[in-house]
Amino acid sequence: AQSVTQLDSQVPVFEEAPVELRCNYSSSVSVYLFWYVQYPNQGLQLLLKYLSGSTLVESINGFEAEFNKSQTSFHLRKPSVHISDTAEYFCAVSVNAGGTSYGKLTFGQGTILTVHP
Amino acid sequence: NAGVTQTPKFQVLKTGQSMTLQCAQDMNHEYMSWYRQDPGMGLRLIHYSVGAGITDQGEVPNGYNVSRSTTEDFPLRLLSAAPSQTSVYFCASSYHRGPKYFGPGTRLTVL
Repeated sequence: AQSVTQLDSQVPVFEEAPVELRCNYSSSVSVYLFWYVQYPNQGLQLLLKYLSGSTLVESINGFEAEFNKSQTSFHLRKPSVHISDTAEYFCAVSVNAGGTSYGKLTFGQGTILTVHP
Repeated sequence: NAGVTQTPKFQVLKTGQSMTLQCAQDMNHEYMSWYRQDPGMGLRLIHYSVGAGITDQGEVPNGYNVSRSTTEDFPLRLLSAAPSQTSVYFCASSYHRGPKYFGPGTRLTVL
């Protein structure tokens, strides 16, 4: 079975500073990887995804993540954060094993990013 | 295109009561799933479906039932509510290998 570990439960940072939210996964088969963002009292929104191809993926609002197969990581980065980036971020994995496996998504515990002025 | 909708938004139950959380999507997605979110535990998969008539258990299925008679709907039934089922419930849908789109959630309290 696959698992996801987000290494930091909370990350405080000042506005315009860079940030990295760390995510490691464990799986015996190839995976698809996702980052979701959740603003207070809202559902989850897809931030970016890795399905195949280029290992560096980007979102429309300046976040990027790099799939590192040897280190089994999918860390999320942003070079300069804004107050509006304050939210909880979830890393998630689904396995590429055929059958019904695509229906299952395993989440990490979440990282609360707080951006201070 | 409404995406994924969930009703109700809030619900309070007494221990032992039953209820159904509704989930619908209008994107013709084949995959639908239910998650519960508890503080510090991320989201945990309860049940999922890969098409009409096909369902399977996730990580925490006990106390919950699902069925999928149509592509659009995937209701979650609580058979006999317990305080441990107090949580926020999210429904999600996706196409094959694609990212999941989440509903706005149902906040359930069991007294």
